[in-house]
Amino acid sequence: EVQLVESGGGLVQPGRSLKLSCAASGFTFSNYGMAWVRQTPTKGLEWVASISTGGGNTYYRDSVKGRFTISRDNAKNTQYLQMDSLRSEDTATYYCARSLLPYFDYWGQGVMVTVSS
Amino acid sequence: DIVMTQGALPNPVPSGESASITCQSSKSLLHSNGKTYLNWYLQRPGQSPQLLIYWMSTRASGVSDRFSGSGSGTDFTLKISSVEAEDVGVYYCQQFLEYPRTFGGGTKLELK
Repeated sequence: EVQLVESGGGLVQPGRSLKLSCAASGFTFSNYGMAWVRQTPTKGLEWVASISTGGGNTYYRDSVKGRFTISRDNAKNTQYLQMDSLRSEDTATYYCARSLLPYFDYWGQGVMVTVSS
Repeated sequence: DIVMTQGALPNPVPSGESASITCQSSKSLLHSNGKTYLNWYLQRPGQSPQLLIYWMSTRASGVSDRFSGSGSGTDFTLKISSVEAEDVGVYYCQQFLEYPRTFGGGTKLELK
């Protein structure tokens, strides 16, 4: 059974950093691209970043470029999202998703990130 | 960015009736390979989104045949025949043609 379990969320002050992790199981992690998608009540679902199978190709939405870094460790079956210089508008539930062109076929349960002083 | 715009449903929908959800993209999602890169997801209350339809009309594994997708390059419809209690939630369309991947604002389905 495919499982994606996010961790690392919480309350953080503006300008600070947070690192999310997504532990994958039930499939050959290194064969799949991965992604982070966030959700807020006002903006709905927003794709944040994607990473290729080997980690060599990464893609970001403009609003997080230069602040967020997506990465993966195929030996640990885990992907990460390093979030720096956090802003209040980054407050959201962050989902880890398995990415197989042309869709996201499995999603984690999500982890909340709140950016507030 | 490709903007995805979803229509509303005349809620609540009577159980057993059909429901159609519309989605429009600001750019054609028809790829040169002949496939249309439009997905549909359902987010049930308290759950994560789940994939229903990809390539505009292909049902994902395990998805009921009560769900069907259709459309053109920019106008799409998700039809749910004989709506059931388990269909309640918010439906999202998404384009997978370009980065950034973008979603529609969601369409809520309530059951009568």
